[in-house]
Amino acid sequence: EVQLLESGGGLIQPGGSLRLSCAASGFTFSDYAMSWVRQAPGKGLEWVSDINGSGGSRYHAESVTGRFTISRDNSKNMLFLQMNSLRAEDTAVYYCAKGGGSPPSSAWYAEYYQHWGQGALVIVSS
Amino acid sequence: EIGMTQSPDTLSVSPGERVTLSCRASHSVSGNLGWYQQKPGQAPRLLIYGASTRATGVPARFSGSGSETDFTLTISSLQSEDFAVYYCQQYKNWPRTFGQGTKVEIK
Repeated sequence: EVQLLESGGGLIQPGGSLRLSCAASGFTFSDYAMSWVRQAPGKGLEWVSDINGSGGSRYHAESVTGRFTISRDNSKNMLFLQMNSLRAEDTAVYYCAKGGGSPPSSAWYAEYYQHWGQGALVIVSS
Repeated sequence: EIGMTQSPDTLSVSPGERVTLSCRASHSVSGNLGWYQQKPGQAPRLLIYGASTRATGVPARFSGSGSETDFTLTISSLQSEDFAVYYCQQYKNWPRTFGQGTKVEIK
């Protein structure tokens, strides 16, 4: 059974930094591209970042480029999102998501999101 | 960036009714379109990918259709557990973009 478990959320002041983690299990982690998708309170879904299976290719939304960095540790089945220079508008539930499809194409890039974690709440406020 | 627009924003429906949700892309996404269901306090759930392929475990009452810029999610007979918000998402290009969602509520 695929499981994605986010951690690292919390209350942080504007301008601060936070690192989210996602522990993955139930599948061969390196065979799949992974993503972060966020949802502000009462709002819709917003794609944040993608990383391919090897970690060599990354994409970030324009709203977070230069502030957020997605990474992964395939030896530990972990996905990360380093968030710097946080703003009030970054307040959201951050979901870790596993890309769909099957190997080998599933490792190249995330397309649709087949599995989701339960989410980590990040609140940016003074 | 490909904009995704869903209609309507809210749909009031009685159980057992047929429901049709629409999603329009600002540029062609070919068949690179997914649909998700989200219930309050829960993570989204993948329903449809490739515009028309049901994800594993999704009931047959859910079906997707369309291509290029116009897509539809149909629920043939709405069940009580189907009251939720539904999102479409394109994965033709980066940035990946979602529609604003359609809330299906009890009439």
